[in-house]
Amino acid sequence: AQSVTQPDIHITVSEGASLELRCNYSYGATPYLFWYVQSPGQGLQLLLKYFSGDTLVQGIKGFEAEFKRSQSSFNLRKPSVHWSDAAEYFCAVGGAAGNKLTFGGGTRVLVKP
Amino acid sequence: ETGVTQSPTHLIKTRGQQVTLRCSSQSGHNTVSWYQQALGQGPQFIFQYYREEENGRGNFPPRFSGLQFPNYSSELNVNALELDDSALYLCASSSASGSDTDTQYFGPGTRLTVL
Repeated sequence: AQSVTQPDIHITVSEGASLELRCNYSYGATPYLFWYVQSPGQGLQLLLKYFSGDTLVQGIKGFEAEFKRSQSSFNLRKPSVHWSDAAEYFCAVGGAAGNKLTFGGGTRVLVKP
Repeated sequence: ETGVTQSPTHLIKTRGQQVTLRCSSQSGHNTVSWYQQALGQGPQFIFQYYREEENGRGNFPPRFSGLQFPNYSSELNVNALELDDSALYLCASSSASGSDTDTQYFGPGTRLTVL
């Protein structure tokens, strides 16, 4: 069975500081990994994805994520957060053929001025 | 390019009623997936449709059903509504071929409240 764990429910960070969100997954085959962001009352916006190749992937809005197979992790990072980055972030795992995604419980990011 | 759209935006129903939610997939996408997101939780997979056939189902009872139409739009139907069905229902579309295969793009969701 596939699963995703996001250990941090809430993270508060000062504007301009760096941000790292943790994601650990369990998947029986080669995982397809995603990070989505959700603003209050909105749908999910894709930040980045990893299928294969370079383990450091770049996404939109200055985000990047690193796939570490040995640690079953896919952590999301941003060097300098902006107030507009306040949102909920979801890590998800899926497989080939684009079928179901399994999401983590999400991490809510608050940005202090 | 038109993104994924969903209707209605909000809906209020009472227990025991039936509801239909609608989704139009992104241009060029032939696969639609539905997710339920309860308050404070991550989305949970309900089912997926590809070429008008169900192509995978999550752990949801049969009173959750769906359709996909020849233009790839989709409906989610829920019968005999229960209070626990109150949630944000998200539709996602993807393409089974091409350079962006296996990436799901989400609509804004329909907020369903069951009283």
